[in-house]
Amino acid sequence: AQRVTQPEKLLSVFKGAPVELKCNYSYSGSPELFWYVQYSRQRLQLLLRHISRESIKGFTADLNKGETSFHLKKPFAQEEDSAMYYCALKGNFNKFYFGSGTKLNVKP
Amino acid sequence: EPEVTQTPSHQVTQMGQEVILRCVPISNHLYFYWYRQILGQKVEFLVSFYNNEISEKSEIFDDQFSVERPDGSNFTLKIRSTKLEDSAMYFCASNLDSQETQYFGPGTRLLVL
Repeated sequence: AQRVTQPEKLLSVFKGAPVELKCNYSYSGSPELFWYVQYSRQRLQLLLRHISRESIKGFTADLNKGETSFHLKKPFAQEEDSAMYYCALKGNFNKFYFGSGTKLNVKP
Repeated sequence: EPEVTQTPSHQVTQMGQEVILRCVPISNHLYFYWYRQILGQKVEFLVSFYNNEISEKSEIFDDQFSVERPDGSNFTLKIRSTKLEDSAMYFCASNLDSQETQYFGPGTRLLVL
């Protein structure tokens, strides 16, 4: 069965510290993984997707099929990174399976 | 940059009443989706829609739910007889190509009393 797990509900770091938001998935096919971000009072927006292999706002994520993970990383967190982050897996018929989200709080 | 819009932003209704949530997808998009997020829980897929028909729906999307594209621009979600547990944030999304990322609307917060 398809599932996305984000084990941390809340992650607090100081500005300038590295950050890693964990995401693990289970999927029988070839997965397509995404990270979405939701800033306070704003809509969900795409942060990055694994097939594009981009770095957006300093964030990167590498798909590790062996560990079935797609952790989101940034070497130096900024206060404006504070938001809810959702890991998502695209399954059949373009259904998205979302994780429960991790709230990132970057303290000054 | 074009965006998906949703109305109303908030809706309060009595249990048993019908509600219609409206979405205007990005104008050239062809695939449309509804998701919901119960407070404190994850975003859950409800339904996908293409070429004027449902292409996929989840187990949540039972007979009390329906979707429609009545006029070529709006994409609506109707809940026929609301229950307390329908209280949630409802997100609409769209994309041009099913392989592309989905663009989300700001959501409608539905509260059933």
